[in-house]
Amino acid sequence: DGGITQSPKYLFRKEGQNVTLSCEQNLNHDAMYWYRQDPGQGLRLIYYSQIVNDFQKGDIAEGYSVSREKKESFPLTVTSAQKNPTAFYLCASSIDLYGKHRDPNTEAFFGQGTRLTVV
Amino acid sequence: AQKITQTQPGMFVQEKEAVTLDCTYDTSDPSYGLFWYKQPSSGEMIFLIYQGSYDQQNATEGRYSLNFQKARKSANLVISASQLGDSAMYFCAMREVRNSGNTPLVFGKGTRLSVIA
Repeated sequence: DGGITQSPKYLFRKEGQNVTLSCEQNLNHDAMYWYRQDPGQGLRLIYYSQIVNDFQKGDIAEGYSVSREKKESFPLTVTSAQKNPTAFYLCASSIDLYGKHRDPNTEAFFGQGTRLTVV
Repeated sequence: AQKITQTQPGMFVQEKEAVTLDCTYDTSDPSYGLFWYKQPSSGEMIFLIYQGSYDQQNATEGRYSLNFQKARKSANLVISASQLGDSAMYFCAMREVRNSGNTPLVFGKGTRLSVIA
């Protein structure tokens, strides 16, 4: 059963701690994305990767870090530098390979999300 | 830069009626794609419908149709025969095509649809 798995579903962080959100996909997709969603807001792009060992900053990358060592995995670390990390985090993937796909009709598949709360 | 505008924070519709959710976009690229996603209270994002900038006909998927007006840069979602299960957040999104490939999806702020029995 192909899909994207995010874990954990709920995460609590103390002030000053780094936490890592997991995102794994078995869809053989090249591109992976991290979005942040705040109440009443749309999804804002944090980071994305279109190929292994490469990633790009999105609109709100400050206070976050990522790695892409394997095609299947794209973990997001929320660092202590992120001043307001409480939010819903969504991971997504699509087939778009860097420099290859130029048909915009490539659907993004999403995980179930991780709700992060600072306590 | 890409931009998506959804001007309706919330909408109400009577069960079995049709409803239109508005979306306008801004881009200077000739090749782009427009998407609509549904987000129930569980938080998952469900893909509904896609419209390409070069598509001559409006997209349709079951009860969903997209009213694409390219000159006005609008891509409104029409849901026919609303059901209680349609109550959710709806997001309009867009991606462009560059030499490096497709850009990531950019989302609007969403519209919360409530279907009334």
